[in-house]
Amino acid sequence: QVQLVQSGAEVKKPGASVKLSCKASGYTFTDYSMHWVRQAPGQRPEWMGWINPANGNTKYSERFPVRVTITRDTSATTAYMELSSLRSEDTALYYCARAGSWSGWFDYWGQGALVTVSS
Amino acid sequence: ELVLTQSPGTLSLSPGEGATLSCRASQSVTNNYLAWYQQKPGQAPRLLIYDVFNRATGIPDRFSGSGSGADFTLTISRLEPEDFGVYYCQEYGRSPYTFGQGTKLESK
Repeated sequence: QVQLVQSGAEVKKPGASVKLSCKASGYTFTDYSMHWVRQAPGQRPEWMGWINPANGNTKYSERFPVRVTITRDTSATTAYMELSSLRSEDTALYYCARAGSWSGWFDYWGQGALVTVSS
Repeated sequence: ELVLTQSPGTLSLSPGEGATLSCRASQSVTNNYLAWYQQKPGQAPRLLIYDVFNRATGIPDRFSGSGSGADFTLTISRLEPEDFGVYYCQEYGRSPYTFGQGTKLESK
């Protein structure tokens, strides 16, 4: 069965960076795009960007100019998301999500990783 | 950036009743690329509907999606106890993909 297992919670200081991982299993990793979506407490989800695991091509939301970097390791079937220059507003649950049929709807989600930014 | 506005904010209904949730876009949604998700506390969103009206795998047929252009609807024909939660619409026709602010469906 398809599973996306994310790394654990992180606590960071303002200005630092965080790198999260998402281990995929149960399907061919390179056959589906992988996206990252975050959700602040009580807020709507917010899409951050995606990667094509087959060739490493990426697309980022215009809301995160140069702060987000998504990478992958095909041998480890793992996607990564690094967010830099953290501020308190970045405190949120961060999800990886698989997109169905190379579209933008998300059929499988990771369990989420809480990132807390606090001085 | 396309903005999605959902209504109502909260819907209070009893099991067995029908529910109608609305999602309105600030401009026409490209290729009808619109999805609906259900989210329960402490869980990731769950895909219900994609491309306006296609049910995701394992979603019961009491859930249906409709609409076109900038106006979309999620209909739940007979509410079951497990249907209560927050529902989000999402557009994926243009970057950045966006979500509506959600409709909370609560048990009366």
